[in-house]
Amino acid sequence: AQKITQTQPGMFVQEKEAVTLDCTYDTSDPSYGLFWYKQPSSGEMIFLIYQGSYDQQNATEGRYSLNFQKARKSANLVISASQLGDSAMYFCAMRETGTSGTYKYIFGTGTRLKVLA
Amino acid sequence: DSGVTQTPKHLITATGQRVTLRCSPRSGDLSVYWYQQSLDQGLQFLIQYYNGEERAKGNILERFSAQQFPDLHSELNLSSLELGDSALYFCASSPGLAGHTDTQYFGPGTRLTVL
Repeated sequence: AQKITQTQPGMFVQEKEAVTLDCTYDTSDPSYGLFWYKQPSSGEMIFLIYQGSYDQQNATEGRYSLNFQKARKSANLVISASQLGDSAMYFCAMRETGTSGTYKYIFGTGTRLKVLA
Repeated sequence: DSGVTQTPKHLITATGQRVTLRCSPRSGDLSVYWYQQSLDQGLQFLIQYYNGEERAKGNILERFSAQQFPDLHSELNLSSLELGDSALYFCASSPGLAGHTDTQYFGPGTRLTVL
């Protein structure tokens, strides 16, 4: 079974509109972390936002917010007021505690977002 | 700038050759992770080191090996290269110690082209 599922291979959004990128996860680790990364066409992986499993409030970073619904095991990324520069691939990732006592990171397959002018 | 450095940025080589990719983690980070990203593919986890020791292995081929040195930089060695090894290879680092808040930061990647 997939531990991180991103069901939207591609999405379009109009400039200045908000968009939600979906991510669901599966873990039995009570202490986990959820992340979103952006990969523009230039290739680098840019850390966007983090949500800890025990965090009571949804994480926000500027125009990015993470809609964390623990019971549903979902961690959707919301981008408000989309900009042309937001066009990129977006990866959802989860951090679990590995059997070696250090962390293990699992990535989804990504969602390609295209912002339309 | 994530603070993770990778060299070289681009590498073009021929089939059958051997190459070494280098990564310097962020200051203070003890964990280094290597990933492979083929064209239009997701990230494939290869291997993880923590403070010089191998801690986890993913889909790493036997032709590939890695190590982390006492100064915490890491090298990924790819040998007997095949056309299918052409990919973007990322290094990422994190503080790495379980029980603490840990975030993984990525280097800019090394783009390997095997001709």
